[in-house]
Order: sequence, then structure tokens, then C-alpha cells
Amino acid sequence: DAEITQSPRHKITETGRQVTLACHQTWNHNNMFWYRQDLGHGLRLIHYSYGVHDTNKGEVSDGYSVSRSNTEDLPLTLESAASSQTSVYFCASSESFGLPGELFFGEGSRLTVL
Amino acid sequence: DAKTTQPPSMDCAEGRAANLPCNHSTISGNEYVYWYRQIHSQGPQYIIHGLKNNETNEMASLIITEDRKSSTLILPHATLRDTAVYYCIVANSGYALNFGKGTSLLVTP
Repeated sequence: DAEITQSPRHKITETGRQVTLACHQTWNHNNMFWYRQDLGHGLRLIHYSYGVHDTNKGEVSDGYSVSRSNTEDLPLTLESAASSQTSVYFCASSESFGLPGELFFGEGSRLTVL
Repeated sequence: DAKTTQPPSMDCAEGRAANLPCNHSTISGNEYVYWYRQIHSQGPQYIIHGLKNNETNEMASLIITEDRKSSTLILPHATLRDTAVYYCIVANSGYALNFGKGTSLLVTP
């Protein structure tokens, strides 16, 4: 079955370290998204991509970067982790731009920055 | 994207219908209404979406008012497993979805 997977599921790191969260989907979806979820804030959009080599900033993109070199993967990088980036991160994908339809979410990656 | 307003929390007795309201008074003509839910700490799950007409699937029904300024998600026979946060989102098709804080639905025995 097609799926979307995130790794690692849990990570603890130190302030200033570079961290990369992986997201891999096997649906061949063009659209991929990264969200973070914090208590009291709901889900907030970090970055998104509508296809290979396309990336766009979301609501809370500062301190994060993404790159899309193939259809299946959209890794999220924290260049220099900060305690404020302690959060649960969700990756999602959907079919092509212009088609109404559902977002498929991964199970989440819980990141703790000490 | 149009903004949405949802009550922060609601209760519903098990077996009864749960009616979750959403106000989206600034919705534009080509924007869809989407509903998702998030159970505990899992990733959000798609429920249903619609443009103008009412929609029904195996999970729920979506009732959109004629002026499209509000909608109601109906879970016809709520179970304890329907306890979750429900998000109403308005967006153009295919665009990134902006989730708000949603409605926390508690289904009680």
C-alpha cells in the first residue's frame, strides 16, 4: 500500500545543531507540506512544495529550509536548532495542484531541542 | 484564504448526532470547505470536503448554507472513537491548507 513515512519519530538534540527530518511518500503526489504543532497553536504551515525543485515558505518558515530533488521526498532541515523549535512536526502530501482532495499525513516527528 | 471560526469545544453523548458548526463568511467562489480531524497525537485525517452542494460519505455529512458563509459537519451516530479535534478549513483546491485551532469534540458515554 502507498504511504507517507516520517523519520525519525523522536529526536532529542542540542541548541545549535543541524537537524534534518525526513518525509517520504509513495503515492507519487506532486504536493508535499510540512507543519508544526504546538500546544495552543494548532497546526502551522512551515514550507510546502508543488513539485520537483519547487519550494514555498509558509506561515512559520524562519529557521527552516526544504529542498525537493525528487517527487517522493521533502526533507525539512533546521540549520541551527533552537529551543523554540521543540515541537511535533507533521509531513503531508496531496495530488496535483488544482485538484480538490485530501491531504495525507504522516505520523509525526517529535523533536526536542535542549 | 478565507478565515474560519469554530467553537473551541463541544460535547456530545454517544449514539447521538454531533453537529459541528463553522463560520466562513469571507469565503470566495472558488474556495472549498474541508474538514479534518485529529485524534490524540496522530496525524490529521481527512473527513470530507465540498464546494456548494451538501456532501455525504461513510464518515460524515457536510451541510453548506446557500450563501456558503457557514457549514456544519454532522457525525450521525457519534462514538467514543470520534473524540478528537475537528478542523474546518477553507481553501482553493490543491493549495496548502491553513489549519486553525479547531473544535475539540468530547463524546461521552
